[in-house]
Amino acid sequence: GQSLEQPSEVTAVEGAIVQINCTYQTSGFYGLSWYQQHDGGAPTFLSYNALDGLEETGRFSSFLSRSDSYGYLLLQELQMKDSASYFCAGLRDSNYQLIWGAGTKLIIKP
Amino acid sequence: GAVVSQHPSWVICKSGTSVKIECRSLDFQATTMFWYRQFPKQSLMLMATSNEGSKATYEQGVEKDKFLINHASLTLSTLTVTSAHPEDSSFYICSARVRQDDGYTFGSGTRLTVV
Repeated sequence: GQSLEQPSEVTAVEGAIVQINCTYQTSGFYGLSWYQQHDGGAPTFLSYNALDGLEETGRFSSFLSRSDSYGYLLLQELQMKDSASYFCAGLRDSNYQLIWGAGTKLIIKP
Repeated sequence: GAVVSQHPSWVICKSGTSVKIECRSLDFQATTMFWYRQFPKQSLMLMATSNEGSKATYEQGVEKDKFLINHASLTLSTLTVTSAHPEDSSFYICSARVRQDDGYTFGSGTRLTVV
């Protein structure tokens, strides 16, 4: 089967750096995406890794290692507005569907 | 950027009635639209994939006669929840693939409450 695992909750301090890990068991993924979702809102796209390595977009970076079936999202200089749920999602190559992890709730303390 | 407009943003309906949710791609053509359902504090669950001009593909366990999907044009896809029951109360979200490396763009979601 296909599944993605990520921690249910992570707590960090404002201004700090936090890493959210995602491991997956599947074959046939084009790449790994990350989405942010605030309570009551729809997901918004953060980052996509098609190749192994690090992708940097401002304060957010994402990493993928296909050989380890592992990726992570790195958030730097945390701000209170970053408090949200973060989802990793695998892009299935057969039909371009996204397979979603369960989500990680990021709690930021002052 | 690519925008998907989803309406209504919230709706309350009585048990047994039907509700239609619309998703429009405003500045691009969405040949494929994905429909999700999300319960509180849970992940997104893919319900079906709709392709313009053809029948939708439903995920296992999703009743196609209850959740009617129409994708008649490249800019409009609709989901109709028929004979709604309280257990259908959920957050419904549509999504379209813009480009593989740009991710997917999502509608703003529809919170359905069936009373």
